Amino acid sequence: ETGVTQTPRHLVMGMTNKKSLKCEQHLGHNAMYWYKQSAKKPLELMFVYSLEERVENNSVPSRFSPECPNSSHLFLHLHTLQPEDSALYLCASSPDPGRGETQYFGPGTRLLVL
Amino acid sequence: EDQVTQSPEALRLQEGESSSLNCSYTVSGLRGLFWYRQDPGKGPEFLFTLYSAGEEKEKERLKATLTKKESFLHITAPKPEDSATYLCAVQDLRHGDYKLSFGAGTTVTVRA
Repeated sequence: ETGVTQTPRHLVMGMTNKKSLKCEQHLGHNAMYWYKQSAKKPLELMFVYSLEERVENNSVPSRFSPECPNSSHLFLHLHTLQPEDSALYLCASSPDPGRGETQYFGPGTRLLVL
Repeated sequence: EDQVTQSPEALRLQEGESSSLNCSYTVSGLRGLFWYRQDPGKGPEFLFTLYSAGEEKEKERLKATLTKKESFLHITAPKPEDSATYLCAVQDLRHGDYKLSFGAGTTVTVRA
């Protein structure tokens, strides 16, 4: 499935680094999402964008900064992360943010913070 | 607060040994219930969406059913390639339309 792509697939960073995760969707969807998946925990919604406007910030620390320049691209800018931020970060998209529409996920970026 | 509980946490099956996974949920009103399959190191892959009690959907060896309080994912005559973690998620009418609440998943291992 290549509808939602994410880069990089793996990332190792120190606590003082700044890095960015990129997501691109080729499905013509209007909504995009960032999720965090930690070991043995359910997926946690971080951010939601609808038509490039942020509609949800799920109490995420400010060291995570999203950016949605258009409806096909989504970024997650990372700075001064903590080791507990190590996780799989998943991007998803859906036709519209509502009415029970299915969210389609990318392959994820495995992040390790040292 | 939505609650989604999946059981069992892990399931080991012999090839051909049918079984069922459970997803119990608590919502104020169900907008939709979603099943995903996730392979190690990969993103969740969409399987089914169910909207109302009594609804059933099938895909190859998988069949999903829905009641007012739970959903089952039945795996019939599984093969080793069915080994994965199966995730259940619900969308509540009360929340913003977009929010999915996920369970922790059931990891299925099918031995040849």
